[in-house]
Amino acid sequence: DAGVIQSPRHEVTEMGQEVTLRCKPISGHDYLFWYRQTMMRGLELLIYFNNNVPIDDSGMPEDRFSAKMPNASFSTLKIQPSEPRDSAVYFCASSRREPTNGYTFGSGTRLTVV
Amino acid sequence: ILNVEQSPQSLHVQEGDSTNFTCSFPSSNFYALHWYRWETAKSPEALFVMTLNGDEKKKGRISATLNTKEGYSYLYIKGSQPEDSATYLCAFMSGYSTLTFGKGTMLLVSP
Repeated sequence: DAGVIQSPRHEVTEMGQEVTLRCKPISGHDYLFWYRQTMMRGLELLIYFNNNVPIDDSGMPEDRFSAKMPNASFSTLKIQPSEPRDSAVYFCASSRREPTNGYTFGSGTRLTVV
Repeated sequence: ILNVEQSPQSLHVQEGDSTNFTCSFPSSNFYALHWYRWETAKSPEALFVMTLNGDEKKKGRISATLNTKEGYSYLYIKGSQPEDSATYLCAFMSGYSTLTFGKGTMLLVSP
């Protein structure tokens, strides 16, 4: 298995532009998570899906952020419009149904909004 | 909001030293405790998943213990090597939530 695949690895965009981050989870994993990592707050959960259904999006910072999972093998995190304070590393992770399994993280997308 | 605290925040040891870190978490409604190893410019990798009070897990020179009644877990590294340099994250899962991560302990092992 290729693991959790995220794209792009790096994204530099101008303030106000729309940004879309992509994630392909490991086949057979029922849970998908979007995290944001910053120096100040560490790893923060933004949203997670179970069997493609959003379960908890309370970590999504504001309405500018949205996430979808149209099928079991693809998810997107969209920021529109982007702001400089959104600059961070965004990780996608997936796991099997039993939450006692460890999460498998993707390589992350480093987003810079200028 | 679940509080997961890790200490120390950072640690610098010499090759061959043994070291340990602490993770504190809520002692109520415990479900699981995870440890992850996170190397610079890479993504976190799961080391251990612990679910039972008194659990001890071991992988090579790294081991972990769990006390759910008092809400702490220790991670031990015996005979640290430069390749052990990384940030070690613990994450707590209650019966009704997903993982909440601590901010990590950054370990630097000098040759």
